[in-house]
Amino acid sequence: DADVTQTPRNRITKTGKRIMLECSQTKGHDRMYWYRQDPGLGLRLIYYSFDVKDINKGEISDGYSVSRQAQAKFSLSLESAIPNQTALYFCATGDPIGEQYFGPGTRLTVT
Amino acid sequence: TQLLEQSPQFLSIQEGENLTVYCNSSSVFSSLQWYRQEPGEGPVLLVTVVTGGEVKKLKRLTFQFGDARKDSSLHITAAQPGDTGLYLCAGETGNTGKLIFGQGTTLQVKP
Repeated sequence: DADVTQTPRNRITKTGKRIMLECSQTKGHDRMYWYRQDPGLGLRLIYYSFDVKDINKGEISDGYSVSRQAQAKFSLSLESAIPNQTALYFCATGDPIGEQYFGPGTRLTVT
Repeated sequence: TQLLEQSPQFLSIQEGENLTVYCNSSSVFSSLQWYRQEPGEGPVLLVTVVTGGEVKKLKRLTFQFGDARKDSSLHITAAQPGDTGLYLCAGETGNTGKLIFGQGTTLQVKP
């Protein structure tokens, strides 16, 4: 079984809709991250959490929110989706020495 | 804003050729990681370098961290079609637990 899982893998939604992307991990790591990937821009950090009670904004948090429901679960929400949020979204966990382990990604399209 | 510049952005070579990918910054990193990503999947960690001047080898891949810990390179010897993918460098400054990613290098190795 995969260490980091993401659901859904693909999603098409309309402008203005609320959408939640979910992430679960079995690695036992305290650190979890949400990134978005756009062609030519690499991975950009949206939010990160170092434990259940810790939530921090990344470089592109506007338009997004997160919830850390448990050590193993970290979800990302788009309250009112817009077309420029069309992207690949990745969840990752991080170990104490800084190495990160990524889920398979969610391809989100906002029409 | 801290930046990691990767070059080249695209590389298309024949099987058996050698290649080098560069990752440069004006920032000093406490560690630098290289990831490889295949279509439809999340990035997978290849290596972490932490000491200035450090060289690590992974089969035909050689990773080097610059003496000043501001840059890194990935050299592939005798590339094979299985090396095809997106290569990402990522650096951590201090012990923030956050990574800054380069834009990525798309490598295509033709049989």
